[in-house]
Amino acid sequence: RKEVEQDPGPFNVPEGATVAFNCTYSNSASQSFFWYRQDCRKEPKLLMSVYSSGNEDGRFTAQLNRASQYISLLIRDSKLSDSATYLCVVSPYSSASKIIFGSGTRLSIRP
Amino acid sequence: GAGVSQSPSNKVTEKGKDVELRCDPISGHTALYWYRQSLGQGLEFLIYFQGNSAPDKSGLPSDRFSAERTGGSVSTLTIQRTQQEDSAVYLCASSLASALHQPQHFGDGTRLSIL
Repeated sequence: RKEVEQDPGPFNVPEGATVAFNCTYSNSASQSFFWYRQDCRKEPKLLMSVYSSGNEDGRFTAQLNRASQYISLLIRDSKLSDSATYLCVVSPYSSASKIIFGSGTRLSIRP
Repeated sequence: GAGVSQSPSNKVTEKGKDVELRCDPISGHTALYWYRQSLGQGLEFLIYFQGNSAPDKSGLPSDRFSAERTGGSVSTLTIQRTQQEDSAVYLCASSLASALHQPQHFGDGTRLSIL
């Protein structure tokens, strides 16, 4: 089993729709969680950190479910510019060194 | 500039040659990471530096790969006797301290093509 798993997609949704995707992780001791966004042929950029209580940044909501070991990203009122690959990132508590990136979920917003 | 800087941005070389990739992290960032990404694939962790030491080299795919960091700043990733499967985008990232709770800031990457 991969340490971090994501549905590769692609998710193809109309503009204005709400879309959500999950990311599961295998190390129950993981402590830090992030969502990164990567545009085609560009470097990954931090979208948002994921806090235990869940957090929201504008149209984006991130949640953590420790019991089931997954994090989620919800995008409301999707825009064409949201089209990208969304990478789930997990950092194990026991090792400050290794950050694990998921292979990403492709999202495509259509007009 | 204020961001992570990588050079060269593109490198095309013949199989069997050695290549050296450079990463200049954000000033003050003590943690530095190297990843590679093949076309359409996720990021593959290669190595991590905390200061000048590399506590985790587990991701280096073979002994042809090595990396060093000097002065707690610039890092170089060296690939010896390159193979075609080494073709990928090599990304460098830095963060303020250890990975825990600290997001990483990425450079634009070096696109390496082995002929």
